[in-house]
Amino acid sequence: ELKVEQNPLFLSMQEGKNYTIYCNYSTTSDRLYWYRQDPGKSLESLFVLLSNGAVKQEGRLMASLDTKARLSTLHITAAVHDLSATYFCAVRSNFGNEKLTFGTGTRLTIIP
Amino acid sequence: NAGVMQNPRHLVRRRGQEARLRCSPMKGHSHVYWYRQLPEEGLKFMVYLQKENIIDESGMPKERFSAEFPKEGPSILRIQQVVRGDSAAYFCASSPPTGDTQYFGPGTRLTVL
Repeated sequence: ELKVEQNPLFLSMQEGKNYTIYCNYSTTSDRLYWYRQDPGKSLESLFVLLSNGAVKQEGRLMASLDTKARLSTLHITAAVHDLSATYFCAVRSNFGNEKLTFGTGTRLTIIP
Repeated sequence: NAGVMQNPRHLVRRRGQEARLRCSPMKGHSHVYWYRQLPEEGLKFMVYLQKENIIDESGMPKERFSAEFPKEGPSILRIQQVVRGDSAAYFCASSPPTGDTQYFGPGTRLTVL
């Protein structure tokens, strides 16, 4: 059974600082997703990572994937208050099995 | 292009009643997925459907829950004889035939009294 773990579960950081969220998964995967969720809202797609060594950046967020280590990271650079949200990674286990297995989420709070 | 639509957004039911949740996928998307999110938890997969077919229902509880995606109309997630433990946010997602990213709807928040 595919398991996806994120850490930390909670992260409180000051504006302007850098930090990294980690996502580990237990079995081979052909793609990994990062989503953002604001309180009471739906999920917004941030990144799709397809191959080993993939790196994608959007604004202050950068995601990377190491399929050999079964690890993805979401790096936040010079955090701003607007980035406060819960971030989920999700893994699709293998081609042909479309369901996503989600991590537990990281609740990020940016303090002014 | 309208996004994934779900209705109702909020649904209150008493124990023993039925809940029907609707999901209209994005235009051009033929794959629909249902996920459940309990408070303070991540999303858990329930079922994956294509038009008129259930492809994977491995996450569906064995009793009281059913899903369909008819040839015409929205996908329906039906919960019979609801219990308090069914209270959760139910999200629908859709993707095009080529797969790739799943786009999520706004969710239906079910409260069972």
